[in-house]
Amino acid sequence: AQSVTQLDSQVPVFEEAPVELRCNYSSSVSVYLFWYVQYPNQGLQLLLKYLSGSTLVKGINGFEAEFNKSQTSFHLRKPSVHISDTAEYFCAVSDQLTGGGNKLTFGTGTQLKVEL
Amino acid sequence: DAGITQSPRYKITETGRQVTLMCHQTWSHSYMFWYRQDLGHGLRLIYYSAAADITDKGEVPDGYVVSRSKTENFPLTLESATRSQTSVYFCASSETQVPYGYTFGSGTRLTVV
Repeated sequence: AQSVTQLDSQVPVFEEAPVELRCNYSSSVSVYLFWYVQYPNQGLQLLLKYLSGSTLVKGINGFEAEFNKSQTSFHLRKPSVHISDTAEYFCAVSDQLTGGGNKLTFGTGTQLKVEL
Repeated sequence: DAGITQSPRYKITETGRQVTLMCHQTWSHSYMFWYRQDLGHGLRLIYYSAAADITDKGEVPDGYVVSRSKTENFPLTLESATRSQTSVYFCASSETQVPYGYTFGSGTRLTVV
C-alpha cells in the first residue's frame, strides 16, 4: 500500500512571498499524485494532479507542483501567495483497489497560513 | 443540482445511538468512498463501493456499516456511536478505472457526546 508524508504540519508565510509545501510518497512504481485544498468548513477541492507526461504540473489559483520520481516527491509551489490561499493542503497518491479502480491515500495535511 | 451532497451538515448524537450519514451523487459515478478527517491523521478511508451492491472495507471500518442499493446513494451508518467517532466525515465519488481524482462532498461534522 502507498503512503504519503507531509513533513510540515504548518507553514506560515507573508503575503506575496513564495511558498513550497513538501510531499513525499512511498513507492517508486508508477503512481498518480494529487494536491487538494480545503478552505475552512468546506470539502476538499482538487488543485492539480500528475498522471503522466511533463513533470511540472500547473493547477488552479497559480499553484504548480513538480513530480520527481528519483526523490519520490511531489512538492507544491506558488511564487507569490495571497491571503486567500490560507487553507489546509493535502497531498494524495493513488492506490489500487483489490476489485479494480483506485483509491486515494492522503497525507496528514499542511496548514498554510498567509500573514500580512 | 448536479454534484455530490451530504446530509446532515452537522449532527450531535449521544453515545450508543445509531446515526446515518447520507451521501448522494448525480453523476452516476461507479466508485464512492467514505473518509473521516481527524487532526493529525488527515483523511482515512472507512469504506468504499465499486458499484451498487458492491462494498468493501477501508483502513478504519470498525463500528461502521454501509450499503449501496442504488448507484447514486451511499449511506454510512454508525451502529452504536462512540466518542471516538467524533469527526468530520467526507463522501467522495470517482469515475471507474480512470484516476481523475475524487469529487468531495462538503462533509458532515459529527459530535458524539
